[in-house]
Amino acid sequence: GAGVSQSPRYKVTKRGQDVALRCDPISGHVSLYWYRQALGQGPEFLTYFNYEAQQDKSGLPNDRFSAERPEGSISTLTIQRTEQRDSAMYRCASSGWGTGGKETQYFGPGTRLLVL
Amino acid sequence: GQQVMQIPQYQHVQEGEDFTTYCNSSTTLSNIQWYKQRPGGHPVFLIQLVKSGEVKKQKRLTFQFGEAKKNSSLHITATQTTDVGTYFCAGPKGGSQGNLIFGKGTKLSVKP
Repeated sequence: GAGVSQSPRYKVTKRGQDVALRCDPISGHVSLYWYRQALGQGPEFLTYFNYEAQQDKSGLPNDRFSAERPEGSISTLTIQRTEQRDSAMYRCASSGWGTGGKETQYFGPGTRLLVL
Repeated sequence: GQQVMQIPQYQHVQEGEDFTTYCNSSTTLSNIQWYKQRPGGHPVFLIQLVKSGEVKKQKRLTFQFGEAKKNSSLHITATQTTDVGTYFCAGPKGGSQGNLIFGKGTKLSVKP
């Protein structure tokens, strides 16, 4: 596609429910990243993939958070048993060559998650 | 842990004034990236600096990477209302190619 797309754009859920956030990266991009961004803060790294392999998941806050990219393209970030503190903007980014710390990352519009 | 810090947090300027934001890392960086996020938008890549002491210019924007590769700055000459937004610096976490650590950003507002 022309850019990184994310769905849904907004998600309101009740505490305790599971949510799945989807990211569709730029076509052909090797790397895909998930970030969480609180209001007034910079993006906070969660995890990233090269192709289908999860390279670094050190930023995932706890075991309620998981991510997958089974075919090396679309990725899903899943939050189980959501809590109010999970409310934030979740951003996805992709880059072309698999060296994301050294290359341009293209960000999607984000999914605004609100946990009531 | 490794940290990237930015100052100031906010900057309000009159249109036509200059603006500078500073970025400091707790560790030496292999490179540093700058992103701009417009209100309600998403971060957009501006530039990457790799070499010690590197200076790069993009029209009215000047980016510098410190000699020790631990600090960087972004200077905007003669700000315009289109410069409004939050400017983030980001550096790779040691030992992880794809883990970018972002600063908290400097939010720039420009009064016409």
